[in-house]
Amino acid sequence: DAGITQSPRHKVTETGTPVTLRCHQTENHRYMYWYRQDPGHGLRLIHYSYGVKDTDKGEVSDGYSVSRSKTEDFLLTLESATSSQTSVYFCAISEEPSRGYTFGSGTRLTVV
Amino acid sequence: GNSVTQMEGPVTLSEEAFLTINCTYTATGYPSLFWYVQYPGEGLQLLLKATKADDKGSNKGFEATYRKETTSFHLEKGSVQVSDSAVYFCVNTDKLIFGTGTRLQVFP
Repeated sequence: DAGITQSPRHKVTETGTPVTLRCHQTENHRYMYWYRQDPGHGLRLIHYSYGVKDTDKGEVSDGYSVSRSKTEDFLLTLESATSSQTSVYFCAISEEPSRGYTFGSGTRLTVV
Repeated sequence: GNSVTQMEGPVTLSEEAFLTINCTYTATGYPSLFWYVQYPGEGLQLLLKATKADDKGSNKGFEATYRKETTSFHLEKGSVQVSDSAVYFCVNTDKLIFGTGTRLQVFP
């Protein structure tokens, strides 16, 4: 979606390797989120940020870390990828959560 | 705790049929409620929203009313089209909770 980009769009990695996914926004929104989407589970919140250097855990944060050193970038890191982390990852941004979120196009990650 | 419960899919309809996708929520506060739609191979898009009790959100012929007394936010459309085929998510902004999604398939 305009104003928010995710990279890479697709990635295949091996078990045990570190992986970093990037979310970049040009909207200057305060809030940024990482979700994963899996069949039968919908979207589940991994981590979110409510400002530079301000982050908090979501529902499924184990095995993931995040960093937000500047407003426009929110990085999601899998320290040691496992097959259970094979998923589609979506980033979202929001100026004010009660107004809604804008989602990126997603990153499809496969851990083999 | 906080949650969102959606009816399971897939929902299969013929074109011009009436659509209802049920959604109920629990929340400790007074959340905003959204419906998001995900078309095949794409990210999620906001379809409609309601920010307080008795609000009705509407967009593209879809409607949903925020009913506090029944803690529901059911999605409705009077006449679906093939292009409405997608996955629909009910969202509770209290704790940022998504429903599991309901796949709608509309056939000509």
